[in-house]
Amino acid sequence: GEDVEQSLFLSVREGDSSVINCTYTDSSSTYLYWYKQEPGAGLQLLTYIFSNMDMKQDQRLTVLLNKKDKHLSLRIADTQTGDSAIYFCAEKGGSQGNLIFGKGTKLSVKP
Amino acid sequence: SAVISQKPSRDICQRGTSLTIQCQVDSQVTMMFWYRQQPGQSLTLIATANQGSEATYESGFVIDKFPISRPNLTFSTLTVSNMSPEDSSIYLCSVVGPTGFGGYTFGSGTRLTVV
Repeated sequence: GEDVEQSLFLSVREGDSSVINCTYTDSSSTYLYWYKQEPGAGLQLLTYIFSNMDMKQDQRLTVLLNKKDKHLSLRIADTQTGDSAIYFCAEKGGSQGNLIFGKGTKLSVKP
Repeated sequence: SAVISQKPSRDICQRGTSLTIQCQVDSQVTMMFWYRQQPGQSLTLIATANQGSEATYESGFVIDKFPISRPNLTFSTLTVSNMSPEDSSIYLCSVVGPTGFGGYTFGSGTRLTVV
């Protein structure tokens, strides 16, 4: 079945760039997503990329998609303490058109 | 994108009781998804709710435990029945935009603790 893998933890210093990586298995996925979850909060859609794109940039966020390797990354430039959260990678690959989520990467930003 | 109002935001319930979670969407949507997020875990799909038909449940989830209603295109409820401490989780509803493409919006979640 579909599977989405991502590393569980990432720690960076404020001002540095953060790169969160994700691999997925369903080559037919049309869209891939990044969501942010702050403590005690719901999921906030950060960005998504259509599978025929290699890159998408939105302010401090850059998404890179390597469809051949089924690898997705999220780069956050100039990481701030407010970026500390759990970041979920997801693919649109479920049988009901639902999203399949990775386990989430906890990003810690140190001042 | 759609805006979802989810209630309650949190609750502490006694084992053996039931809790109904509501999601109200500010626009008409065909499909509504219900997810569970167990502590420290990712999101797992419970079921998909379509208006006018029975919900479709994922493996490991059954209607008797998680009955769902979808009376119209803007509203759905999920009931967690006969609760046990293992049901302590965050429950979230989600919809996709009217075209079926693009971003999926999530409710703010219901944090359930069963004691």
